[in-house]
Amino acid sequence: SQQGEEDPQALSIQEGENATMNCSYKTSINNLQWYRQNSGRGLVHLILIRSNEREKHSGRLRVTLDTSKKSSSLLITASRAADTASYFCATDATGQGAQKLVFGQGTRLTINP
Amino acid sequence: EAQVTQNPRYLITVTGKKLTVTCSQNMNHEYMSWYRQDPGLGLRQIYYSMNVEVTDKGDVPEGYKVSRKEKRNFPLILESPSPNQTSLYFCASSLRGLGNSPLHFGNGTRLTVT
Repeated sequence: SQQGEEDPQALSIQEGENATMNCSYKTSINNLQWYRQNSGRGLVHLILIRSNEREKHSGRLRVTLDTSKKSSSLLITASRAADTASYFCATDATGQGAQKLVFGQGTRLTINP
Repeated sequence: EAQVTQNPRYLITVTGKKLTVTCSQNMNHEYMSWYRQDPGLGLRQIYYSMNVEVTDKGDVPEGYKVSRKEKRNFPLILESPSPNQTSLYFCASSLRGLGNSPLHFGNGTRLTVT
């Protein structure tokens, strides 16, 4: 079963605007990760936030984690056309019977020039 | 260049004809995994391996086999492919289990079974 669920499923914004994507999950986690996928290509790791962290930054990316609400958000600031991609959250289910990352369905982000 | 290499990139085959998708990583990673990606179903784990000669089932292992004879290679074998195995497949690796190590993905293999 899917652990992480992203919201919205699709997001279309103008270049230069900020994009916010949300992820909810169901069970306790060790960490939560965000990945980007350009159409038909492999996923690329963006950022990892541990369960004891609340916020993390990497360049134009800002990730927050609220373990009490079992949710995370990814903020991309000053968006660019090259940010057009699908974004996935993935939760580390290690210790719950298997070594695996469980991926959500993704948010399709389109940046309009 | 550090990478995960999958081959082939595209594969069209017929039902029942055995095939192997190769995966190799040059990062000395201990953990390797196979996922399939389907519209509406997201990424689902097929098999994973914690190290040489150690493999375990993921969420959708039926119809697939894997082996880990060497650290760098983790081939995915479909003994008798069926149309419901038409999908986009990804191999991924990480340094040491999933702990706090991100996954590095290959570029994918698009398989069509007719």
